[in-house]
Amino acid sequence: GDSVTQMEGPVTLSEEAFLTINCTYTATGYPSLFWYVQYPGEGLQLLLKATKADDKGSNKGFEATYRKETTSFHLEKGSVQVSDSAVYFCALRGSTDSWGKLQFGAGTQVVVTP
Amino acid sequence: SAVISQKPSRDICQRGTSLTIQCQVDSQVTMMFWYRQQPGQSLTLIATANQGSEATYESGFVIDKFPISRPNLTFSTLTVSNMSPEDSSIYLCSVDKGLSTDTQYFGPGTRLTVL
Repeated sequence: GDSVTQMEGPVTLSEEAFLTINCTYTATGYPSLFWYVQYPGEGLQLLLKATKADDKGSNKGFEATYRKETTSFHLEKGSVQVSDSAVYFCALRGSTDSWGKLQFGAGTQVVVTP
Repeated sequence: SAVISQKPSRDICQRGTSLTIQCQVDSQVTMMFWYRQQPGQSLTLIATANQGSEATYESGFVIDKFPISRPNLTFSTLTVSNMSPEDSSIYLCSVDKGLSTDTQYFGPGTRLTVL
């Protein structure tokens, strides 16, 4: 079945550092890919998405490119801020799944220090 | 987008009791889902709430333990029955406005602690 694998956390960075969170997936066909963010004490928010190969999703300085050849959707940000401290979830929605069910990765906690 | 509210936002319950969580959306939506997020874990789909019919449960989840209602296109409830400490989790409602948007939106979650 479909699955998502994320790099383990926590990832601890200094402010203005470069952030990369690796995400790879297993799925049949052409899934849609998502990054969600969960700030402390809050629910999930959609950060960005990509629905086909080579698409780049971007939002709030974060970017991720849908790489079909490597089955990856790595999240990057060039200069993180303390306010980016959160848990980040990679997720996919299978192309054959008409019910919209999302498969989530384990989540990666990011801690940004001043 | 969609604005989703959940009630209660948190609760502390005694073992053996039941709690009903409400999810309200600001517009009609096709699909509504219920997820569980156990402490320090990722999200696991419990079931899809179908309007006008029985919910569709994922493997490992049963209707007797997690009965779900979906009386209309903007509202759903999840009941956690006969609770035990292992049910302590965040329960999240999410909605999908249709395949054309390809995006799922989440409510703020209900943080449940069972003593």
